[in-house]
Amino acid sequence: DTAVSQTPKYLVTQMGNDKSIKCEQNLGHDTMYWYKQDSKKFLKIMFSYNNKELIINETVPNRFSPKSPDKAHLNLHINSLELGDSAVYFCASSQGTSSSGANVLTFGAGSRLTVL
Amino acid sequence: GQNIDQPTEMTATEGAIVQINCTYQTSGFNGLFWYQQHAGEAPTFLSYNVLDGLEEKGRFSSFLSRSKGYSYLLLKELQMKDSASYLCAVRDSNYQLIWGAGTKLIIKP
Repeated sequence: DTAVSQTPKYLVTQMGNDKSIKCEQNLGHDTMYWYKQDSKKFLKIMFSYNNKELIINETVPNRFSPKSPDKAHLNLHINSLELGDSAVYFCASSQGTSSSGANVLTFGAGSRLTVL
Repeated sequence: GQNIDQPTEMTATEGAIVQINCTYQTSGFNGLFWYQQHAGEAPTFLSYNVLDGLEEKGRFSSFLSRSKGYSYLLLKELQMKDSASYLCAVRDSNYQLIWGAGTKLIIKP
């Protein structure tokens, strides 16, 4: 009965590899997000999709590519991994878009990526 | 630039009261959020303020002063399980969430 689930929880890989993180939500929410939480604990928005359409695309390297096959899934693919990509990546979802009411975010448990 | 400031770490005693402050400078304001994040876990929603004043929810209350760019989270009757990081986030004029780095709260018996 997990609300927002993301896999894998841990990922250790070499520089230059390509990896994907998957996210699924069963809350019936319309909007999904990817956040990066670095070692200083700041949460930074990377992407946001509303009903499978990209609505936020912050300044992230184009090595990062989100894919939303349907509104319940938002996957993150990363090409040519670099040391600086090491972080915890959180998927989240919300009922509406960021401009609608309180728009509370429900987060997944996070995926800790370590690039060696 | 946009900035959210919170103390890095605070320590309090079980059963006591603690106030975690948050000051912000953002391009516009469309609401302030508090989230709780236990170590190694996901942030979870605690409170939302969009108008000035105090919002009370059980042992937790959140206060907002828009003119001062200031909020606080008040935790009463502290329990060991309240040991966590508390994240302040402000929604700016573009409805983007700007996050603080969080305040790590340590509860001692």
